[in-house]
Order: sequence, then structure tokens, then C-alpha cells
Amino acid sequence: QSVVAHPPSVSGTPGQSITMSCSGSSSNIGSNAVNWYQQIPGTAPKLLMYNDNRRPSGVPARFSGSRSGTSASLAISGLQSEDEADYYCAAWDDSLKGPVFGGGTKVTVL
Amino acid sequence: EVRLVESGGGLVKPGGSLRLSCAASGFTFSDFGLNWVRQAPGKGLQWVSSITSTSNYIYYGDSVRGRFTTSRDNARNSLYLQMNSLRADDTAVYYCARRMIYGNNAFDIWGRGTMVTVSS
Repeated sequence: QSVVAHPPSVSGTPGQSITMSCSGSSSNIGSNAVNWYQQIPGTAPKLLMYNDNRRPSGVPARFSGSRSGTSASLAISGLQSEDEADYYCAAWDDSLKGPVFGGGTKVTVL
Repeated sequence: EVRLVESGGGLVKPGGSLRLSCAASGFTFSDFGLNWVRQAPGKGLQWVSSITSTSNYIYYGDSVRGRFTTSRDNARNSLYLQMNSLRADDTAVYYCARRMIYGNNAFDIWGRGTMVTVSS
């Protein structure tokens, strides 16, 4: 039932591109769409990406998502200071009958 | 404005009970499934429970099943989480979150959360 996020933390300078991933299993990422959430410390999570690669209104196009097999990725191109946050992937788990969240990736903008 | 506001958190002793509420506004409450998600201090997000729009299906995470009960009152636009037999590892910020209708279980609206501390 678990989903593992990697790396636990990543840093980059403004303008750089970074990527983070989540690895799951056949009961979650392998068979269900992945959603991504951004959480700025001290605030509530915010939906960043849904259905693997769909951006809610207002989310910049520099964020992109993908899913293949039991893994999913989130990329940020043209990193900006306001992107400094924790990022969580989540996928419905057929065994749990609920979503499983990855452990999160902390993004630092240098 | 679409909004979810949690309340009811506080300090409770191990073995005690607490009831959280989540008040919704700005959307047709009865159209949406809702969830509780928690976050222990310095830790990641953990799904707690979900309830469908008409309360016909309610699910719980393994760590709370049998101790927590989720319910909703569509007439009052409110979601509830009754927490019994509380343990220290239930200490967390508890968020209510709305499930998108066509979003593959994505949670598109979140409240600010309410803190629950279980300690003697």
C-alpha cells in the first residue's frame, strides 16, 4: 500500500528545472491516476496536478506531471522562489479504499 | 468563495474523545464527497477517512478504523469526525478536503486545519 517519494529533498537555483518522483505498487499508482499537492510550510496543501498531468486553473504551466507503470513524476521547469514548498503525490489504493500519500519531497530554491 | 473551515481541535488525554467539525460554504455541499487528512508535526500527509456525498459509503485508514467515525449533515453543510480512544500518535493537524467530482480522487479544496494534541 505504500508510496515512496524520492528524493526526500531537492534544491535548485531560479530558472533551473527539477524533477521528483513517486514509486508505488500495482494497487495504487500502477492502476490509478496520481495527484500532486504543494504545501508551503504553515499552510494547507493545495492541489497542483490531478489525473497525472492536468493542472487546475491557476497553476502555472511550468509544472508538469506524468505516470508510467508504478511510478509518477512531477517536473518544475524555470524554478521560481515561490515554488519552495513540500510536494506530495497521492494515488487511490484499491486495497486501502483510500488515497495513499507519498512521504513528500522538499524543494528549496537557492 | 468556496471554503472549508475546521473546528473542534484541542488538547485531550490519551483514551479521551474529541469531535471535529468542518463547515462548508460557497458550493453545493451535497454534491461532493469529503475526506479527513491529517499531518503529524513535522511529518507528511496521511489520509484518515472519506465519505460519499450521500453517506452511503464511508471508509477509514487502518490506523483509525474502529476508533474514529465520520459523518455528515448535508442540511447543515457540515462534516464531522468523532475520535474516540485517542492515542499520542493521533496528534496532528486535521484537514477536511473536498473530493473533485471528475478528478480521480483529487482533493481540490482544503480547510486550514485544526490541531489535535493527545497528551497527558
